[in-house]
Amino acid sequence: DTEVTQTPKHLVMGMTNKKSLKCEQHMGHRAMYWYKQKAKKPPELMFVYSYEKLSINESVPSRFSPECPNSSLLNLHLHALQPEDSALYLCASSQEGGRGANVLTFGAGSRLTVL
Amino acid sequence: GQSLEQPSEVTAVEGAIVQINCTYQTSGFYGLSWYQQHDGGAPTFLSYNALDGLEETGRFSSFLSRSDSYGYLLLQELQMKDSASYFCAVRDPTGTYKYIFGTGTRLKVLA
Repeated sequence: DTEVTQTPKHLVMGMTNKKSLKCEQHMGHRAMYWYKQKAKKPPELMFVYSYEKLSINESVPSRFSPECPNSSLLNLHLHALQPEDSALYLCASSQEGGRGANVLTFGAGSRLTVL
Repeated sequence: GQSLEQPSEVTAVEGAIVQINCTYQTSGFYGLSWYQQHDGGAPTFLSYNALDGLEETGRFSSFLSRSDSYGYLLLQELQMKDSASYFCAVRDPTGTYKYIFGTGTRLKVLA
């Protein structure tokens, strides 16, 4: 299995809603990432988990809450989002070292619209 | 921190060769990667240069010169399906898993 699976593909939520984005990989990768991407912009790093521990938080607002329940799963919990949070949210994974640490495998993304 | 600059847009015709540059400012890094992203799709890995020099993968080649803080992606025998955005990326040595992308280049291939 060489895929990263993200659900849902599309999500529309109000500013008072609570929702979650889910990501799963079965490649044995021990590093998992969340990126946010706006139209015509590069992916912007949000969080990184390595060995199920939060390794990097790029000063992301607390209305985004990541969770890594096990080595295959990564969640992003959303609460009280703003319309400017509407974007494509990409999950990725990589090996933890060597050349493989520089090769990220991305999921298809979850397109989020906040009304 | 890291800064990777790319031209915003490049246009070429089918069958041509195009070079997409990436210039960076960094205190050090592990190597330079390249990704392709079609509209509405996810980034997909193309190549990685750990060392200076040229890496070839089919129609795509990538080059790195650490002394010049410069790299490029070379696409040969362009096809319409190569129309996409291309990003260079590096792993920040100050944060082992901090992996950041360049500003991106939108390639348009014309018939």
